[in-house]
Amino acid sequence: DGGITQSPKYLFRKEGQNVTLSCEQNLNHDAMYWYRQDPGQGLRLIYYSQIVNDFQKGDIAEGYSVSREKKESFPLTVTSAQKNPTAFYLCASSGDRGPTEAFFGQGTRLTVV
Amino acid sequence: QKEVEQDPGPLSVPEGAIVSLNCTYSNSAFQYFMWYRQYSRKGPELLMYTYSSGNKEDGRFTAQVDKSSKYISLFIRDSQPSDSATYLCAMSAVYSSASKIIFGSGTRLSIRP
Repeated sequence: DGGITQSPKYLFRKEGQNVTLSCEQNLNHDAMYWYRQDPGQGLRLIYYSQIVNDFQKGDIAEGYSVSREKKESFPLTVTSAQKNPTAFYLCASSGDRGPTEAFFGQGTRLTVV
Repeated sequence: QKEVEQDPGPLSVPEGAIVSLNCTYSNSAFQYFMWYRQYSRKGPELLMYTYSSGNKEDGRFTAQVDKSSKYISLFIRDSQPSDSATYLCAMSAVYSSASKIIFGSGTRLSIRP
C-alpha cells in the first residue's frame, strides 16, 4: 500500500540532545513537508522540499534542520537550539496535483524532558 | 495578523444538525482551498478542495469559497457522531517552484448522539 510512514510514533529525549524524526513515502511524490502542531493550534510549517537536494525554510525553521538526499525520504532533526521542542510533528507529501493532494503521516509525538 | 484565521471552537451540535465551519484569510494570492479532518492523535486527512471561487459538493459535505470576501466555509449536512473531529482549513498559492500549504488553527467539532 502507498503512503507516508513516520517513525517512531512516540519519542522521548533529554533536554539538550538532538533528535531525528523519520519520514518515508512510497507515493512517488516530489514535494515533502514538515509541520509542527501544538495543542489547540493548527499546523505550522517548519521546512518543505520540492525536489531532491533542495529545501526551503517555513515559518518556524529556527532550531530545526532537514535533508533531502532521496526522493522518498525527508528526515527532520530537532536540535538543542529549538527552545520548545515538545510537540506533535507531522510529515506530508504532495505530487502532480500540488497542494490539493497532500497526504499526511500519522505523526511523531516528541517529548523533551 | 495570521494569514489564515479559524475559530477554534469547540463546537457541539446534536446529531442530524447542519454544521458550518469557517475560515478567513488575508493573502489574496491563495487559489487552492482545502479542508482536512483530523481525529485525535492522528494525521490530518484531506476531505475536499476547491480551486478559486465557487461551491463543491461531496456527499454530505459542501465547500464554499468567496474570494471577494476572503472567506471559506465547510457545511456538513445530517451530521453523525463519527464526524466528531478537528477540522482544519488549508490554503495555498502556486509559486513557480513551491506550493506552501498554510493551515488554520482547526475547529474542534463534537456531534452529540
